Amino acid sequence: QKEVEQNSGPLSVPEGAIASLNCTYSDRGSQSFFWYRQYSGKSPELIMFIYSNGDKEDGRFTAQLNKASQYVSLLIRDSQPSDSATYLCAVKGDKIIFGKGTRLHILP
Amino acid sequence: DGGITQSPKYLFRKEGQNVTLSCEQNLNHDAMYWYRQDPGQGLRLIYYSQIVNDFQKGDIAEGYSVSREKKESFPLTVTSAQKNPTAFYLCASTVVGASYNEQFFGPGTRLTVL
Repeated sequence: QKEVEQNSGPLSVPEGAIASLNCTYSDRGSQSFFWYRQYSGKSPELIMFIYSNGDKEDGRFTAQLNKASQYVSLLIRDSQPSDSATYLCAVKGDKIIFGKGTRLHILP
Repeated sequence: DGGITQSPKYLFRKEGQNVTLSCEQNLNHDAMYWYRQDPGQGLRLIYYSQIVNDFQKGDIAEGYSVSREKKESFPLTVTSAQKNPTAFYLCASTVVGASYNEQFFGPGTRLTVL
């Protein structure tokens, strides 16, 4: 059974600090990795995707991928209250598998 | 504007009724997906289709049916055989091909069984 694991949280981070969200996956054949943000009652929206080892930065967001350790993370710098949401990690090999998500709460 | 629409936004079903959830996309995507999300849970795949007139069961297909008669449309029917259908239903689509193509999601339909 291919799995994607995330800490369910909630992860509480002070406003202005760095939020670090982590995800591990079991399928070594996975090729691409996505981070989605989901506000309560809404549908997921894509924040970042990454498919090469290393870091990928987009504004306040940085995705990090380590295929050897089967680990992908999302860093959110200068956290804002509007970043409070559930973050879903998705891993794509022969099919896409979603983690259960981490609830992030930014403390004003 | 290109995107995915789902209707209705809220749906109430009585015990023993079949209901159909609509999903339409104008993104010219080949693949379409239906997911179910329960509180505090991730997305569980119900059915998916990569081409018109063809679809495959996902992880939790029992009690559900789909059709794909047009590229733009992928309706989901929740049958009376689905014993616990109350959930948030999400439709998604993507381009078939490159592995890094993201899935785009519709706004979702919240189904409640009375």
